[in-house]
Amino acid sequence: GNSVTQMEGPVTLSEEAFLTINCTYTATGYPSLFWYVQYPGEGLQLLLKATKADDKGSNKGFEATYRKETTSFHLEKGSVQVSDSAVYFCALSDQGNTGNQFYFGTGTSLTVIP
Amino acid sequence: GAGVSQSPSNKVTEKGKDVELRCDPISGHTALYWYRQRLGQGLEFLIYFQGNSAPDKSGLPSDRFSAERTGESVSTLTIQRTQQEDSAVYLCASSLTTYTQYFGPGTRLTVL
Repeated sequence: GNSVTQMEGPVTLSEEAFLTINCTYTATGYPSLFWYVQYPGEGLQLLLKATKADDKGSNKGFEATYRKETTSFHLEKGSVQVSDSAVYFCALSDQGNTGNQFYFGTGTSLTVIP
Repeated sequence: GAGVSQSPSNKVTEKGKDVELRCDPISGHTALYWYRQRLGQGLEFLIYFQGNSAPDKSGLPSDRFSAERTGESVSTLTIQRTQQEDSAVYLCASSLTTYTQYFGPGTRLTVL
């Protein structure tokens, strides 16, 4: 079946530190992969996505590369800011028998301190 | 606006009462999803509608939970005889068949 496993948090970093949040997946087909972000008090919003192997999604300084050989989609940012403090969710979508289904990881909470 | 909307934004109810939560998806989106997010936890899939196909109800936690969708528009999630463990944020999302989900702001349900 399909599933997503992501690094457990919480993660606390100092401003300008390098960020990696690990995400691995299991899928029966050829999924698309996503990172969603949930800022405090707000709803989930798409951060970036990649739809096929070796694609790199990027947005707001964040990047993630779709690695089929390692079934991974790790989120990285070279220099985090206080405003990046949020919960990050890795997700995949796969075309199931009844349409497009989504599977989410449990979320990783990031706190960036000045 | 053109985003997913949900109502009410907050709902406080007493244990044993029924509640209805509403979701208005983005126009033209054929797929609609309901999730539950308990405090400090990840998203728990509840139910998925795709066009006129039978919904995927595999995530509904009990028969107290049900959902309907009228065509490719509004959806209502109903929780009967609410329990305290039903307290959570209920999120709705819509998408085109193979693309990204767009989430609504959620309904925060508190069962006293």
